[in-house]
Amino acid sequence: EIVLTQSPGTLSLSPGERATLSCRASQSVSSRYLAWYQQKPGQAPRLVIYGASSRATGIPDRFSGSGSGTDFTLTITRLQPEDFAVYYCQQYGNSPLTFGGGTKVEIK
Amino acid sequence: QVQLQESGPGLVKPSETLSLTCTVSGDSITSFYWSWIRQPPGKRLEWIGYIYDSGSNTYNPSLKSRVTISIDTSKNQLSLKLKSVTAADTAVYHCARVREGYHDYWGQGTLVTVSS
Repeated sequence: EIVLTQSPGTLSLSPGERATLSCRASQSVSSRYLAWYQQKPGQAPRLVIYGASSRATGIPDRFSGSGSGTDFTLTITRLQPEDFAVYYCQQYGNSPLTFGGGTKVEIK
Repeated sequence: QVQLQESGPGLVKPSETLSLTCTVSGDSITSFYWSWIRQPPGKRLEWIGYIYDSGSNTYNPSLKSRVTISIDTSKNQLSLKLKSVTAADTAVYHCARVREGYHDYWGQGTLVTVSS
């Protein structure tokens, strides 16, 4: 199975700053089948990015995804208070579907 | 607006069968794949498996021998059964709608604790 490693584990930033989250796969993710989710305490995960770079419905354009092969990045420009959360990546190019361990974006 | 709600016992004894239901509202359960996903405390999300409305399903090999996912189109529900549970199966269990393999709508999740 494809193992996804997210880094850093925790990102401490101030509102208005830029966040760069990494997701590295143990083998190539076919057809850029990678998604990102945002999860806040007590809430369901929310889809942010699919297909490595396509924003989900209702996601503001300060969120962007990039990458291919084994290296993927989620970038949040100009962090807003509502963006502080845990972010997970997920690959769906190979079965079983797998998730990364998450990056927590916290207020500095 | 699609909404998913998991329900079932919050406590299951070791060696017994965990049974959960996910009720879908705001959309028909047909024509989509639906997943079960769990998150043990302090660990990453783990995909359990998914099912299509025809009853065709795919399971994570790590759980395949113990899992059954089924669908009831008349009730717009999907179900999860996990047999022979141990403490390692303690987790928050989510159901979610599948689009091409990613998940666009999720339930809030329900915590299931395995303990005697």
